[in-house]
Amino acid sequence: NAGVTQTPKFRVLKTGQSMTLLCAQDMNHEYMYWYRQDPGMGLRLIHYSVGEGTTAKGEVPDGYNVSRLKKQNFLLGLESAAPSQTSVYFCASTQTGQGYTFGSGTRLTVV
Amino acid sequence: KNEVEQSPQNLTAQEGEFITINCSYSVGISALHWLQQHPGGGIVSLFMLSSGKKKHGRLIATINIQEKHSSLHITASHPRDSAVYICAVREGAQKLVFGQGTRLTINP
Repeated sequence: NAGVTQTPKFRVLKTGQSMTLLCAQDMNHEYMYWYRQDPGMGLRLIHYSVGEGTTAKGEVPDGYNVSRLKKQNFLLGLESAAPSQTSVYFCASTQTGQGYTFGSGTRLTVV
Repeated sequence: KNEVEQSPQNLTAQEGEFITINCSYSVGISALHWLQQHPGGGIVSLFMLSSGKKKHGRLIATINIQEKHSSLHITASHPRDSAVYICAVREGAQKLVFGQGTRLTINP
């Protein structure tokens, strides 16, 4: 089925470890986003991309890096994980004039 | 003050009741979205609105651009409608600004 696929779905990291979250979409969407969702905070934008090879900072970019080397993939990296990065991460994509399609989320715990 | 305000934050109702969730925003927008998230689940897009009214099954969404207000209605509510409903407005670069969400519980 067409949509947005996030991997992994769950991960536990130790403080200081690094990891990469992968978001893949097969709808040829130009725009892709990474959000984090925390209790009482709603969804907050980490980084986004308006096309292949472009990235931009969102509301809460510190501690994260992203890359969009291929149009269908948007990677979110944590270079040195901190407990404050414990959250549920959602990827989303869209095209002009269309609604947003969200991935199923990645639940990350940093201990 | 948040750019997107939803009310109520929590809503409990009996099966069959008519449900209304409100969303007010303070910024200029190109579109407003209603999203649904079931407990522990992913996020599903319900509606995208730039004017007027849309209907899908038992769900109806309206928007008043002049008053910067939108409502989501559920007719003949059912326990499976229990979820968090999120209003989001689209600003530049197709970015979404989210409300805090409304937690809806429908009791049988």
